[in-house]
Amino acid sequence: KAGVTQTPRYLIKTRGQQVTLSCSPISGHRSVSWYQQTPGQGLQFLFEYFSETQRNKGNFPGRFSGRQFSNSRSEMNVSTLELGDSALYLCASSLDGGTVAYEQYFGPGTRLTVT
Amino acid sequence: AQSVTQPDIHITVSEGASLELRCNYSYGATPYLFWYVQSPGQGLQLLLKYFSGDTLVQGIKGFEAEFKRSQSSFNLRKPSVHWSDAAEYFCAVLYQAGTALIFGKGTTLSVSS
Repeated sequence: KAGVTQTPRYLIKTRGQQVTLSCSPISGHRSVSWYQQTPGQGLQFLFEYFSETQRNKGNFPGRFSGRQFSNSRSEMNVSTLELGDSALYLCASSLDGGTVAYEQYFGPGTRLTVT
Repeated sequence: AQSVTQPDIHITVSEGASLELRCNYSYGATPYLFWYVQSPGQGLQLLLKYFSGDTLVQGIKGFEAEFKRSQSSFNLRKPSVHWSDAAEYFCAVLYQAGTALIFGKGTTLSVSS
């Protein structure tokens, strides 16, 4: 079974631009979470989607948004990029129901560099 | 606030020696506990998890972890470290499905020959 895939793997953008990152979960997984990883702040939760609905959101500004499609694929968007948005963005998927819902499987991440 | 502490930022272990990485969590209720490993430029790989039951859990790559409720700890161990184990290790907790994994700051493991 294929793992979580994220595209693109690397991205360079300029301040003020916007960016869209994509995540395809493991087949059968319906929950998708997004995390931002930076050297200073570590791993921080952005949001979680299930059945095309955002169930939880972390403490990030409204410039960070996401969505989930009917096939469980998810995208996240960052508008008006700032230098501080440079980070590794990780997507994780999980099954729903029972204790397996607690196991999150991560993709390789998208490395975003804002110049 | 819920938090996870990994006291050791960087550990160096000789190849073949044993390893223990520490993790403590703060919160009254017992969360679901995880250890993840991240190699440079890669995502996170789930090493092992604790939900309930036997407090000593086995994971992949020869790792094990022990949950101690009285100490709010979930330490990761390996009897004999291999050079390929060099990576960054993250302890994480989760209180409810669909909510955020709360991660520690990570411990970087270096393996010397």
